Amino acid sequence: QLRLQESGPGLVKPSETLSLTCTVSGGSITSNSYYWAWIRQSPGKGLEWIGSIYNSGSTYYNPSLKSRVTLSVDTSRNQFSLRLTSVTAADTAVYYCARQFGIPNWFDPWGQGTLVTISS
Amino acid sequence: DIHMTQSPSSLSASVGDRVTITCRAGQGISSSLAWFQQKPGKAPNLLLYGASGLASGVPSRFSGSASGTDYTLTISSLQPEDFATYYCQQYYFIPITFGQGTRLEIK
Repeated sequence: QLRLQESGPGLVKPSETLSLTCTVSGGSITSNSYYWAWIRQSPGKGLEWIGSIYNSGSTYYNPSLKSRVTLSVDTSRNQFSLRLTSVTAADTAVYYCARQFGIPNWFDPWGQGTLVTISS
Repeated sequence: DIHMTQSPSSLSASVGDRVTITCRAGQGISSSLAWFQQKPGKAPNLLLYGASGLASGVPSRFSGSASGTDYTLTISSLQPEDFATYYCQQYYFIPITFGQGTRLEIK
């Protein structure tokens, strides 16, 4: 059974860079046709798609975040990662990683999520 | 961005009730719609895709339909474990967008 697990700091200072990693187990990140996505959820903005990446490194980003987001993939470790620069309090959210059945498409399954708080 | 409007935002119902939640897309999305269930402290869980396709392991009391830009999630007979928040998601356009959620509470 495929499982995804987010990891990274739970507290980031304003103006700094948020970095998270998603580790995939029970399946290969190089499986054909699947993209790997980041989604966040905050009380103020609800669920927000951040971006998606293929195992080749091909990416799609939400235009609202594109200038600050970089996704990357490490096939040797079966991981993919998120970097979000110049964070503010508005970036405080639960961050989820998920598998995506092609782009654009639905998400299944999701990781358990990790809360990232932006505060000094 | 495609705006997805869910209604109602909250709903009280009893075990055994039939419940309907609606999601209206800001423009046509050709049934490229998924429904998720989320319980407190947990990640969203896929229920339906393609507006009416049942995800693996999801009980048959969950069903979906489409009419124009309106999409409906129906739970035929509420069970205690169904009390949760439900979200729709369109995947026809990028950026992918979600509805604001419908909280289903016990009456």
